[in-house]
Amino acid sequence: EAGVAQSPRYKIIEKRQSVAFWCNPISGHATLYWYQQILGQGPKLLIQFQNNGVVDDSQLPKDRFSAERLKGVDSTLKIQPAKLEDSAVYLCASSSHGTSADTQYFGPGTRLTVL
Amino acid sequence: TQLLEQSPQFLSIQEGENLTVYCNSSSVFSSLQWYRQEPGEGPVLLVTVVTGGEVKKLKRLTFQFGDARKDSSLHITAAQPGDTGLYLCAGATSGSARQLTFGSGTQLTVLP
Repeated sequence: EAGVAQSPRYKIIEKRQSVAFWCNPISGHATLYWYQQILGQGPKLLIQFQNNGVVDDSQLPKDRFSAERLKGVDSTLKIQPAKLEDSAVYLCASSSHGTSADTQYFGPGTRLTVL
Repeated sequence: TQLLEQSPQFLSIQEGENLTVYCNSSSVFSSLQWYRQEPGEGPVLLVTVVTGGEVKKLKRLTFQFGDARKDSSLHITAAQPGDTGLYLCAGATSGSARQLTFGSGTQLTVLP
């Protein structure tokens, strides 16, 4: 079974530029998560999708971050404009149903550096 | 806001030594998970504990969930260089939407 795929793996941009990350979850997984992991910290949930609907985006900085999951499969996370403090690894994870019995499977992440 | 504090933040030991990593919170979690993350990869689930006082063993790793479901520990016996990595605990809230709150992690280095 293929795991969660993410691209690109690395991205370097200058502040105020825009960037987009892509995630392809495990086939059949209804729930998709985007996390931000700053160096030296644990992952922080940005947004959770159930199929193509948003379950929780309370920690997503909506003035600059946006995410969508069209057709309930792939997802993109966009930052516009980027700030220095956005430098982090952006992890995508998926699970079968998003219930308490589920396991979240993580992709390898996209490492973003904002200069 | 639910916070999970892990200690120690960094740990460097020799192969064959034992170690314990702690995960503490003032909040009660419905379950708690431990992950290991290697450089350039996402976290990989090691274990889930759901019952207060529960102890789970995974080869040389022993996981314990506190009676009050606010804290947990991970004990590694006879550590090996392959155990090197970032160990993360994550607490799950109750309810239909499974959301995890992660600790800041313990970076373990096992020297040969």
